[in-house]
Amino acid sequence: EPEVTQTPSHQVTQMGQEVILRCVPISNHLYFYWYRQILGQKVEFLVSFYNNEISEKSEIFDDQFSVERPDGSNFTLKIRSTKLEDSAMYFCASRRLGGETQYFGPGTRLLVL
Amino acid sequence: KNEVEQSPQNLTAQEGEFITINCSYSVGISALHWLQQHPGGGIVSLFMLSSGKKKHGRLIATINIQEKHSSLHITASHPRDSAVYICAVPNYGGSQGNLIFGKGTKLSVKP
Repeated sequence: EPEVTQTPSHQVTQMGQEVILRCVPISNHLYFYWYRQILGQKVEFLVSFYNNEISEKSEIFDDQFSVERPDGSNFTLKIRSTKLEDSAMYFCASRRLGGETQYFGPGTRLLVL
Repeated sequence: KNEVEQSPQNLTAQEGEFITINCSYSVGISALHWLQQHPGGGIVSLFMLSSGKKKHGRLIATINIQEKHSSLHITASHPRDSAVYICAVPNYGGSQGNLIFGKGTKLSVKP
């Protein structure tokens, strides 16, 4: 069964460094999402992406964040200058046109030191 | 902006028991999601429903749009059902992606 994949599974970085989290959505899906979950807290929406542009973003998704679909398969989340509070699990999800279900990736656990 | 409340926060059950988890939200919505988060952190979408009831195996989800309330039921619970169950709704009612998540209900089923 097709699935969403994310790399890396874990990343440790120093405060102020840039990180790129990668996602490969399911191949015929057209809607893409990033969510994050700080340890012990709720899952939070970051951004949705459709037709090569951001369709919605939350207050969390400030200028430090950007998303890109650099080719036909990858969907990336870049954090320009990481802060300690960016430490969280980041989930990518995708959905097909007309579909109801979002399919989640396994997540990338980011630790900022 | 929508707000989501789930209850209970924690639930311990004996294998075979019938489980009910509740979710209430504040703003009228087009559809509601039930998700399962495994102990390792992975998230699986269980249901998306906009009215009535849906059933998948031992899981049943119901929604009452007028009362802004949904329930997730698990029949004949099993230790492998132990997970966090999360309800999520569109932030502004109609959106598919901008979801507001509940805090989750941590279910532990003992053998």
